[in-house]
Amino acid sequence: GENVEQHPSTLSVQEGDSAVIKCTYSDSASNYFPWYKQELGKGPQLIIDIRSNVGEKKDQRIAVTLNKTAKHFSLHITETQPEDSAVYFCAASITNTGNQFYFGTGTSLTVIP
Amino acid sequence: DVKVTQSSRYLVKRTGEKVFLECVQDMDHENMFWYRQDPGLGLRLIYFSYDVKMKEKGDIPEGYSVSREKKERFSLILESASTNQTSMYLCASSLGTGQGYTFGSGTRLTVV
Repeated sequence: GENVEQHPSTLSVQEGDSAVIKCTYSDSASNYFPWYKQELGKGPQLIIDIRSNVGEKKDQRIAVTLNKTAKHFSLHITETQPEDSAVYFCAASITNTGNQFYFGTGTSLTVIP
Repeated sequence: DVKVTQSSRYLVKRTGEKVFLECVQDMDHENMFWYRQDPGLGLRLIYFSYDVKMKEKGDIPEGYSVSREKKERFSLILESASTNQTSMYLCASSLGTGQGYTFGSGTRLTVV
């Protein structure tokens, strides 16, 4: 099955700096890539997603890029704020075989005020 | 907003007990999922269901079973709880293929 690797496992940045989290996937058939944010004591929440027919997607301070050839995708957060501190998960899915997501192991982001 | 409700935030059970974790969603979603979350391992799929009465094994189904008698409710059953099933359990639902999941807040289960 699909294998998703995520790096780094922990990341600390100063408030206002950018943060980048990277994921790689193994199955070239994967075509849907969501990102989730999990705050302490809560379930993961979808923050942005990208499909394989798109190379980049932005939503305010958050952007995701996808390189299908290299089989990797990245989350970029600009102008980080303390409320961005959370655990972030990437995932990959092969939509024509079902709705299963394969998750990375998570990145704990700390934004230092 | 879709809401996925897990009946318990914290549970403490004894080894050998039969444990039921309940999950209800209120937006008529077809697909429902149970994951467990452990530090360093991320989210691992236990079971999923694409329709009432339907269930499929995920990556780590051993020691678990599920029930989906109604579309909105998906229950995870630990037939005989063991200490290695101490974990955070997350339920999720989605409208369909290629759609993001909505997660519940999780149930932190401790088996002693």
